[in-house]
Amino acid sequence: DADVTQTPRNRITKTGKRIMLECSQTKGHDRMYWYRQDPGLGLQLIYYSFDVKDINKGEISDGYSVSRQAQAKFSLSLESAIPNQTALYFCATSDPRDRKGYTDTQYFGPGTRLTVL
Amino acid sequence: LAKTTQPISMDSYEGQEVNITCSHNNIATNDYITWYQQFPSQGPRFIIQGYKTKVTNEVASLFIPADRKSSTLSLPRVSLSDTAVYYCLVGDQAGTALIFGKGTTLSVSS
Repeated sequence: DADVTQTPRNRITKTGKRIMLECSQTKGHDRMYWYRQDPGLGLQLIYYSFDVKDINKGEISDGYSVSRQAQAKFSLSLESAIPNQTALYFCATSDPRDRKGYTDTQYFGPGTRLTVL
Repeated sequence: LAKTTQPISMDSYEGQEVNITCSHNNIATNDYITWYQQFPSQGPRFIIQGYKTKVTNEVASLFIPADRKSSTLSLPRVSLSDTAVYYCLVGDQAGTALIFGKGTTLSVSS
């Protein structure tokens, strides 16, 4: 979804470095999510936020932290990157006022490909 | 959060109908069943959602039996462009379905 942007799109870093991935949205959605995808493992939820003051851990939050700076911005940080955090990272948004069905529809950004050497 | 189980992969040929079944034995009364499609190097996108019986839209049909412990996504007459990963999720109206799992990788050949 073009209304959800992620920066950078690609990043190569070294073990031990601090990395921040940023997500911005112009959809006006309250809810935002971070997922990681590894080949053959599908999508795994890292953190999610239902509003600016709300942060929740997902399935695999260890080694990650997040910051919800504003309704439109949700950042994911790797405090000390390690090689097994090499993956494709997706940000998504949703809102109860913008559903295609009876539950929230998630709208995904283009992804950030992170490589940790 | 109800867990879902899907086949890891499926193969098909162009023009065939493809049915992907998802098991969700612990589905709650308030849960809905949602399917997403993901093309390579893109984020998933919503395909269809249902609660019970049958739902059809321009992309697919979703069949849900009375006990709701499983659901079947049906793609009529697939083409090469339907090659993607398909995810089945379960969640209620209060929030959103969060657990995508591994999904089913559908490969369509000519």
